[in-house]
Amino acid sequence: DTAVSQTPKYLVTQMGNDKSIKCEQNLGHDTMYWYKQDSKKFLKIMFSYNNKELIINETVPNRFSPKSPDKAHLNLHINSLELGDSAVYFCASSQDGGRAEAFFGQGTRLTVV
Amino acid sequence: GNSVTQMEGPVTLSEEAFLTINCTYTATGYPSLFWYVQYPGEGLQLLLKATKADDKGSNKGFEATYRKETTSFHLEKGSVQVSDSAVYFCALISGGSYIPTFGRGTSLIVHP
Repeated sequence: DTAVSQTPKYLVTQMGNDKSIKCEQNLGHDTMYWYKQDSKKFLKIMFSYNNKELIINETVPNRFSPKSPDKAHLNLHINSLELGDSAVYFCASSQDGGRAEAFFGQGTRLTVV
Repeated sequence: GNSVTQMEGPVTLSEEAFLTINCTYTATGYPSLFWYVQYPGEGLQLLLKATKADDKGSNKGFEATYRKETTSFHLEKGSVQVSDSAVYFCALISGGSYIPTFGRGTSLIVHP
């Protein structure tokens, strides 16, 4: 059983489109995250969410929005895609309000053309 | 705020060589420290962790010791293999901000 799963694994789309990336975790964790990894492997936190609080990195454009239908899911919606949004996006989860280590999904490689 | 500094890569070694990847940190409170590994095309996996000063984390021949006096958590392995080629990330979680903070990653390339 995959602990943290993301779909799709690859996403190629045109500028201006709106897209979503889905994330599900079956670990019973209470905290989920979205990270963006650039071509130099740098990881940037985008959002942190548990059932009490959403923390948004203030540098993330408001075209990006997380949606959590339930505790096991945290989807990422992106509006009006731009070339600079091309990157690998990772979903992760952790227990104990974020005090424990994070478990990562396999990543979604987004290419905007 | 919290931050993690890792040595820049890539680190290129021959098989069976000794590995050290340096990591230092700044944090509020008493952080937990982690090393993650990312193999090509995959997500990050936890390699080892330490939650208090002088703890040593170890896994798969890798180890790191939490040094509070030098705010360091250097990763070491006595004899690397080609299969260890990957990107290694040092990270911390600290009270006040339960969001993992990652270093920039260090690429390790091991030649046969």
